Amino acid sequence: DQQVKQNSPSLSVQEGRISILNCDYTNSMFDYFLWYKKYPAEGPTFLISISSIKDKNEDGRFTVFLNKSAKHLSLHIVPSQPGDSAVYFCAASPTGTASKLTFGTGTRLQVTL
Amino acid sequence: EAQVTQNPRYLITVTGKKLTVTCSQNMNHEYMSWYRQDPGLGLRQIYYSMNVEVTDKGDVPEGYKVSRKEKRNFPLILESPSPNQTSLYFCASRTSGGLHSTDTQYFGPGTRLTVL
Repeated sequence: DQQVKQNSPSLSVQEGRISILNCDYTNSMFDYFLWYKKYPAEGPTFLISISSIKDKNEDGRFTVFLNKSAKHLSLHIVPSQPGDSAVYFCAASPTGTASKLTFGTGTRLQVTL
Repeated sequence: EAQVTQNPRYLITVTGKKLTVTCSQNMNHEYMSWYRQDPGLGLRQIYYSMNVEVTDKGDVPEGYKVSRKEKRNFPLILESPSPNQTSLYFCASRTSGGLHSTDTQYFGPGTRLTVL
């Protein structure tokens, strides 16, 4: 049972345009959400996070939106750059167990010139 | 340089031959964790440790053991590896932080294990 779902395995966006990566979750106990970026042959690196008390968090070109009622979050990258090409994982943590992250299956983003 | 190191990076072994994948961090982090990454399944947590001598099961602990005798090291042990444990393994660490620590998890570079 996949509690965190990233339904788009891949996404291709032109340089300079907006990239939107989506993530859905089913466990209503999740209340802290994170995005990680992963390059080939490297471990994932933390990108941005959001707590359930917020609906938006911004860090430079990266913004995460959370819609609790829809159990949906999205990562917006504006403007997209070729160096953003990577696999993006969303992850969720349930109340009281911040050490247990449940990851989605990942979306491979390719930013083309 | 702050980092999480794993060894070996690549390993091919045979069914039933015990192996250990080492993980070490130099950031004095209390929390360490092991994940496996499989196609179509994302990263799944195997075990985690909140501090020395404190370990707990993640989502897929079957077939694995861990130990945390020192703060910096968190080895993953496969007593009798099987082909379904062929996967990409990541170790991670962070400060234990609070209930919802915003401290990020730092991941190692990964160990690609093939069990024949």
